[in-house]
Amino acid sequence: AQSVTQPDIHITVSEGASLELRCNYSYGATPYLFWYVQSPGQGLQLLLKYFSGDTLVQGIKGFEAEFKRSQSSFNLRKPSVHWSDAAEYFCAVGESGNTPLVFGKGTRLSVIA
Amino acid sequence: GAGVSQSPRYKVAKRGQDVALRCDPISGHVSLFWYQQALGQGPEFLTYFQNEAQLDKSGLPSDRFFAERPEGSVSTLKIQRTQQEDSAVYLCASSHGPKIGTYEQYFGPGTRLTVT
Repeated sequence: AQSVTQPDIHITVSEGASLELRCNYSYGATPYLFWYVQSPGQGLQLLLKYFSGDTLVQGIKGFEAEFKRSQSSFNLRKPSVHWSDAAEYFCAVGESGNTPLVFGKGTRLSVIA
Repeated sequence: GAGVSQSPRYKVAKRGQDVALRCDPISGHVSLFWYQQALGQGPEFLTYFQNEAQLDKSGLPSDRFFAERPEGSVSTLKIQRTQQEDSAVYLCASSHGPKIGTYEQYFGPGTRLTVT
């Protein structure tokens, strides 16, 4: 069965500092991997996705993620965090984007001045 | 263009009442998904449709939960005899479907259900 682990429940970073959110997955085949962001009271917005090819993928809002098959990881990074990045971040895995996704429990990001 | 819309945005139900939650997917999207998000948790899959066919309902927590998409567009998630443990945000998502090469789900804002 598929599963996703986000080891960090809550992370606090200073504005302008770099960010890395961790995601580990368990899946038998080549997974489709996603990062979503959720602001309070909002739905989920897709930041980026990985299906195949280049293992470093670029997304919206200056985010990027790197797929590492050997580590079963898909960590999200941003070189310089802005206060508006404060939100909940979810990693998800699926057989494709057209099949049900399995989500991690999320990492809450707080940004301080 | 218009995104996925859900109504109502908030619903308060007394325990034992029936509720119906509506999802309007993006026009032309073939696949439609329902997820349940408990407080402080990630979304969990409930059921999904391809056009009007319900392909997987393995995530529905009990037979009190029922979903339909009779014309392959709008979908309704119905919960009968609501219980306090049903309190959650119910998220709907849609995607183009397997024949088109974009593989991502677009989410609506959710319906927050509170059972008192």
